[in-house]
Amino acid sequence: ETGVTQSPTHLIKTRGQQVTLRCSSQSGHNTVSWYQQALGQGPQFIFQYYREEENGRGNFPPRFSGLQFPNYSSELNVNALELDDSALYLCASSSGLNHRQFFGPGTRLTVL
Amino acid sequence: KNEVEQSPQNLTAQEGEFITINCSYSVGISALHWLQQHPGGGIVSLFMLSSGKKKHGRLIATINIQEKHSSLHITASHPRDSAVYICAALPSQGGSEKLVFGKGTKLTVNP
Repeated sequence: ETGVTQSPTHLIKTRGQQVTLRCSSQSGHNTVSWYQQALGQGPQFIFQYYREEENGRGNFPPRFSGLQFPNYSSELNVNALELDDSALYLCASSSGLNHRQFFGPGTRLTVL
Repeated sequence: KNEVEQSPQNLTAQEGEFITINCSYSVGISALHWLQQHPGGGIVSLFMLSSGKKKHGRLIATINIQEKHSSLHITASHPRDSAVYICAALPSQGGSEKLVFGKGTKLTVNP
């Protein structure tokens, strides 16, 4: 059984650019949640996907968008990058709603 | 005021000591997670609990729903336990699994 994986591990972008982060959920999991963790802070919920549909969204602007594929892997897209978008982006998968979430290693995004 | 508060913010202990990290929350919840985050960012899910107590090895998590309080205990602490411990609450209202996180407790265990 493979765990949650994320790619890339590190990424450097400049302001105004667009970025796509990827997450492969753990085998058998159909739910993926994305979180942003700024340095020294706890993670903040971005959104969740359940069976390819968005199932809740946190206080993030529309330039943060996502997608879940039929194999339940997921993408997080961020358009028009801003300096404050620099953070660790974590995804977590679970075997359904209200189930324990298992986290990936994260993607560290730096916006210059 | 954050919906999830942890204490202490930082904790330094000697190897072998008994550790307690506290988490209080202000919303009704359906479950609470305890997570461990090592330098570099990777998060490990330690426990998810909605009542009572859970134990795994040297780790024990308890929750008191009426008092809106949870604790994570580490017995016979070891330097490899050094990490940031985060509690995250799953509010019972809302429909989605919008976990609300505490800011974390940074634990350093010295040999």
